[in-house]
Amino acid sequence: GAVVSQHPSWVICKSGTSVKIECRSLDFQATTMFWYRQFPKQSLMLMATSNEGSKATYEQGVEKDKFLINHASLTLSTLTVTSAHPEDSSFYICSARDRYGANEKLFFGSGTQLSVL
Amino acid sequence: AQSVTQLDSHVSVSEGTPVLLRCNYSSSYSPSLFWYVQHPNKGLQLLLKYTSAATLVKGINGFEAEFKKSETSFHLTKPSAHMSDAAEYFCVVSDNTGFQKLVFGTGTRLLVSP
Repeated sequence: GAVVSQHPSWVICKSGTSVKIECRSLDFQATTMFWYRQFPKQSLMLMATSNEGSKATYEQGVEKDKFLINHASLTLSTLTVTSAHPEDSSFYICSARDRYGANEKLFFGSGTQLSVL
Repeated sequence: AQSVTQLDSHVSVSEGTPVLLRCNYSSSYSPSLFWYVQHPNKGLQLLLKYTSAATLVKGINGFEAEFKKSETSFHLTKPSAHMSDAAEYFCVVSDNTGFQKLVFGTGTRLLVSP
């Protein structure tokens, strides 16, 4: 089946630094990728929708200058958490949709656990 | 706006007994509905989906769900639980428009005892 690779799987960083998370579709082209945030024992909250070659669409309440999303190719989207603070500590998950499919062709990465000290 | 409500945060069953995970939805449009499973430190895996075809949907690993419009429900069932079914389950709705964004329920943790 289709695979979405998310890297790194976990990262620890100091407060004030920036962290980049990569999401790659390994065997399909993804025109649309989604970034989610999941707090412990809570559901996934959509942060933003990114389309290849255009600006990401952010959900209400998500700071676009803090969570920079780049979708430069059909197989790669990145999320950069800028000037990270302890409250940014969370589990971040990406998903990618096959350009030829609807939501049945949506595949999730394995997530990144971010801990900001 | 779309939303889903998962009625139970935790469900405990014994191995070999039936599983019922409840989900109610709200949608202004004709919805697509999904169940995803998340094992610890893993990504999400699609169990099954409803997209306005047959109301009884069969998924992987013996799971199935029935779409009941009159009850706005999409409950997930399995006749006989297996230890490997222990995980977090999410009921999800999509509005079938635009980016087809998914809205997740709060999740139900399924515990399976020997």
